Amino acid sequence: DVKVTQSSRYLVKRTGEKVFLECVQDMDHENMFWYRQDPGLGLRLIYFSYDVKMKEKGDIPEGYSVSREKKERFSLILESASTNQTSMYLCASRLKTLPPYEQYFGPGTRLTVT
Amino acid sequence: LAKTTQPISMDSYEGQEVNITCSHNNIATNDYITWYQQFPSQGPRFIIQGYKTKVTNEVASLFIPADRKSSTLSLPRVSLSDTAVYYCLVGVGGMDSSYKLIFGSGTRLLVRP
Repeated sequence: DVKVTQSSRYLVKRTGEKVFLECVQDMDHENMFWYRQDPGLGLRLIYFSYDVKMKEKGDIPEGYSVSREKKERFSLILESASTNQTSMYLCASRLKTLPPYEQYFGPGTRLTVT
Repeated sequence: LAKTTQPISMDSYEGQEVNITCSHNNIATNDYITWYQQFPSQGPRFIIQGYKTKVTNEVASLFIPADRKSSTLSLPRVSLSDTAVYYCLVGVGGMDSSYKLIFGSGTRLLVRP
């Protein structure tokens, strides 16, 4: 069974803090993704990584950066947290080359910025 | 990149068959159609994926007409535990830097006793 874990389920940070969200997958998947989910907006892609040290901007990358130094780990960084980054953050991973092209999601991190 | 349109919400009763239709008018030749299910406070979970005609697994069926501009997720005999948000996605698998999927707003299914 694929497992995607996220470092925290709940996180409270202050405006201006640097925030690190960690995601680890145990299935040697090439692709990893970071989404945020807000009521009425569904899931929106922030960044994705198609392999180690590779990254691509998604639809809403502003205010975020990512790091993928090892295949199993994909980190989302909020350089200076703001209240409009309060959201549910979901990480996912996917095997690149074979169908079904299924993304496996972690349980999510609910971040509150005060 | 293909966008999807699906109903915001649907109601049903236990034991009924539920069909959720998604339109994707600008689907590309090599796009797959995928459906996910999400419960509160959990990440989305893969249900089914197809390219054309009909696909069936142990939980659902996916019907895709010849023009592939729409697709229908069919849930047979729903139960209360099927109450969730369902997302339809179209996108390409197996590519590198240009690959991404866009989740729409989803369909909130409520199953009543």
